[in-house]
Amino acid sequence: GDSVTQMEGPVTLSEEAFLTINCTYTATGYPSLFWYVQYPGEGLQLLLKATKADDKGSNKGFEATYRKETTSFHLEKGSVQVSDSAVYFCALSGNAGNMLTFGGGTRLMVKP
Amino acid sequence: DARVTQTPRDKVTEMGQEVTMRCQPILGHNTVFWYRQTMMQGLELLAYFRNRAPLDDSGMPKDRFSAEMPDATLATLKIQPSEPRDSAVYFCASGLEAAYNEQFFGPGTRLTVL
Repeated sequence: GDSVTQMEGPVTLSEEAFLTINCTYTATGYPSLFWYVQYPGEGLQLLLKATKADDKGSNKGFEATYRKETTSFHLEKGSVQVSDSAVYFCALSGNAGNMLTFGGGTRLMVKP
Repeated sequence: DARVTQTPRDKVTEMGQEVTMRCQPILGHNTVFWYRQTMMQGLELLAYFRNRAPLDDSGMPKDRFSAEMPDATLATLKIQPSEPRDSAVYFCASGLEAAYNEQFFGPGTRLTVL
């Protein structure tokens, strides 16, 4: 079945540091790929998505590129802020409508 | 600004009591999902509805949990009887069925079973 693997956290960075959170997936066919973010005490919200190979999703300074050859969708940001501290989930949507398969989540902590 | 709403936001109950959580999906969405989030297990899918019909509830303990959609504006998740191990945050999400469409999450119900 489909699966998503993302790096374990927590990831601790200083403000303005470069961020990479790795995500790889296993799926049949051509899934859509998503990054969700969960701020403390809140539900998950969509950060960005990509629906086909080589697409780049971007939002709020975050970017991720759908790499079919490496089955990856790594999340990057050039300069993180304290307000980016949250849990980040990589997910895919395969053939079953908009049902999502989530990775385990990666907690990011940004220190001033 | 369309949002998924969930009630109650917090619930504290004693073991053995019945708990009902409610969700109002975004108007026009035809898929609804229930998730449970704990520190140990992470995010688990409990149930999935499409056009109010249950499609997948394989992640749900059948003996005590039940999920229904009495109408298109209301989804319920019921636990009877509740146990301390059910303590978690329960999220509802809704969306339009298509592989490229995202799910929209509610704020969650934090359940504590004493």
